[in-house]
Amino acid sequence: EDQVTQSPEALRLQEGESSSLNCSYTVSGLRGLFWYRQDPGKGPEFLFTLYSAGEEKEKERLKATLTKKESFLHITAPKPEDSATYLCAVPFSGGYNKLIFGAGTRLAVHP
Amino acid sequence: NAGVTQTPKFQVLKTGQSMTLQCAQDMNHEYMSWYRQDPGMGLRLIHYSVGAGITDQGEVPNGYNVSRSTTEDFPLRLLSAAPSQTSVYFCASSYSSENTEAFFGQGTRLTVV
Repeated sequence: EDQVTQSPEALRLQEGESSSLNCSYTVSGLRGLFWYRQDPGKGPEFLFTLYSAGEEKEKERLKATLTKKESFLHITAPKPEDSATYLCAVPFSGGYNKLIFGAGTRLAVHP
Repeated sequence: NAGVTQTPKFQVLKTGQSMTLQCAQDMNHEYMSWYRQDPGMGLRLIHYSVGAGITDQGEVPNGYNVSRSTTEDFPLRLLSAAPSQTSVYFCASSYSSENTEAFFGQGTRLTVV
């Protein structure tokens, strides 16, 4: 069964305290793994797509990495404006944009 | 260029009532989809469309209908609302079914009492 699990459910960091969020997945024939950011009361906003094990993508203080079973979203020296829920998703076996989402990690960065 | 626009933002329905959640995009995207988001769960796919006149079921389609008469619009209809349909609904679009950068609307928060 296709499944996406994110951990931890919630993470509280001090400003400047680096950490990582985990997304583990079980799907036959991975065709990509996607990270989104969601602010309260808003829709998800696309961050990254990773296609193969070993691939890395960076955007400001965020770096996403991919292995054969999981992905990590590394946050380096976070700022309060990085506070959000981070979602990862993979396509169902049937198509690219039929996405299965994890429940998300709620990140709070305090000054 | 407004992106993906959903209306209304908030709605309260009584059990058994019907309503339509509106979704429109102005990016000429072929692919559109509807998700629901519940506390502690990821977004779940309700229905999707790969182009005008073509729709298909997602993971949780029961109780919902869709149609796609134009490229721009993809309304979601609740036929007879139930408390289990209390949720936040998101519409998304992307250039094609193989383009993974999906653009989401702001969501509709629906409460069924």
